Amino acid sequence: SQTIHQWPATLVQPVGSPLSLECTVEGTSNPNLYWYRQAAGRGLQLLFYSVGIGQISSEVPQNLSASRPQDRQFILSSKKLLLSDSGFYLCAWSGGPLNTEAFFGQGTRLTVV
Amino acid sequence: GQQVMQIPQYQHVQEGEDFTTYCNSSTTLSNIQWYKQRPGGHPVFLIQLVKSGEVKKQKRLTFQFGEAKKNSSLHITATQTTDVGTYFCAGTQITDSWGKLQFGAGTQVVVTP
Repeated sequence: SQTIHQWPATLVQPVGSPLSLECTVEGTSNPNLYWYRQAAGRGLQLLFYSVGIGQISSEVPQNLSASRPQDRQFILSSKKLLLSDSGFYLCAWSGGPLNTEAFFGQGTRLTVV
Repeated sequence: GQQVMQIPQYQHVQEGEDFTTYCNSSTTLSNIQWYKQRPGGHPVFLIQLVKSGEVKKQKRLTFQFGEAKKNSSLHITATQTTDVGTYFCAGTQITDSWGKLQFGAGTQVVVTP
């Protein structure tokens, strides 16, 4: 069966520090991968999505970046965090255009101080 | 900008009452999905609707996809405290060959006993 792993679960980082959040999927190949951010009590903001290795689409301009070095690995990064980067970050995968049901990781709660 | 709109943003319901949350897209969707996020958790897939005018039921939950495939609704009857959470709709634009999911802002449901 397919599983998705996202870590760490919580993170407290100072302003200006770098960020690296990792997400891996098991049990499927060539998934669509997503990074979402959710502010407290708010909806899901799509940050990045990827349909294949090295293929990343950015949905919003920001100081975050994403990479997909392997088929089932998706990394969210920042060189210098801002206070406004605080939030709940969710990684998700789906099977592609014919099977779009999304499966979410447990999420990372990031607090920038 | 966000193309999938959801209303209301908040819904306070007395236990035992019914309520409906609505989802509207500015473009035609190939499918619509509904997710539930419990407080502190991650979104979990509930159901997918694909056909124009489709109606599906899950116990006390009734999901409907509009004839034009641009809107959807979730109706919950006899609300229980276990229904607390945020309900998201998510759609894939019919013109998107990659099946990218766009989420609505969610309806946060609070149930009072």
